[in-house]
Amino acid sequence: DAGVIQSPRHEVTEMGQEVTLRCKLISGHNSLFWYRQTMMRGLELLIYFNNNVPIDDSGMPEDRFSAKMPNASFSTLKIQPSEPRDSAVYFCASSYYTDTQYFGPGTRLTVL
Amino acid sequence: RKEVEQDPGPFNVPEGATVAFNCTYSNSASQSFFWYRQDCRKEPKLLMSVYSSGNEDGRFTAQLNRASQYISLLIRDSKLSDSATYLCVVKGNYGQNFVFGPGTRLSVLP
Repeated sequence: DAGVIQSPRHEVTEMGQEVTLRCKLISGHNSLFWYRQTMMRGLELLIYFNNNVPIDDSGMPEDRFSAKMPNASFSTLKIQPSEPRDSAVYFCASSYYTDTQYFGPGTRLTVL
Repeated sequence: RKEVEQDPGPFNVPEGATVAFNCTYSNSASQSFFWYRQDCRKEPKLLMSVYSSGNEDGRFTAQLNRASQYISLLIRDSKLSDSATYLCVVKGNYGQNFVFGPGTRLSVLP
């Protein structure tokens, strides 16, 4: 079975542009988590969904960030407009209800 | 105080050494505990869950002390391939999310 799939793996964009990151959950999982990782702040939870419903978005930095889960297996994280301080690795993870989270390979975002 | 704190590291140890990592958590309602491993430029991967009675998986032993709100990971006979960052993870019940510690970096030297 395929693991968590993220795309793109690398994204380089200019400040002010819109960025969309995508994630496909492991089949059968019902919880999805978006994380951001930087050297300075480590791994930070941005938002998580359970059964397509956002449960906790308190980690979303500001209104420029939005996340959706249009169906049970897919999610997008959008940054509009992007800023250089958004540069980070963005991970998506999925789980079945509780316990073990399985991470995708991440998207390395660079905003110039 | 951060919810999950870990030894700052880095730990540089020779092959074959035994090394122990410590982690403390502040939320006494936390119910589930894990150690994840993250290699350089890779995603975190589950190393092992931590059970109240303590558990062992080959060269790795995890311990939980609920009274002191403390988790440990012991690696015996360390290998070069153990070099990574080790993340302590704590989760409460009832939909509470996972909280990751800042990680402790381990370098095993030949």
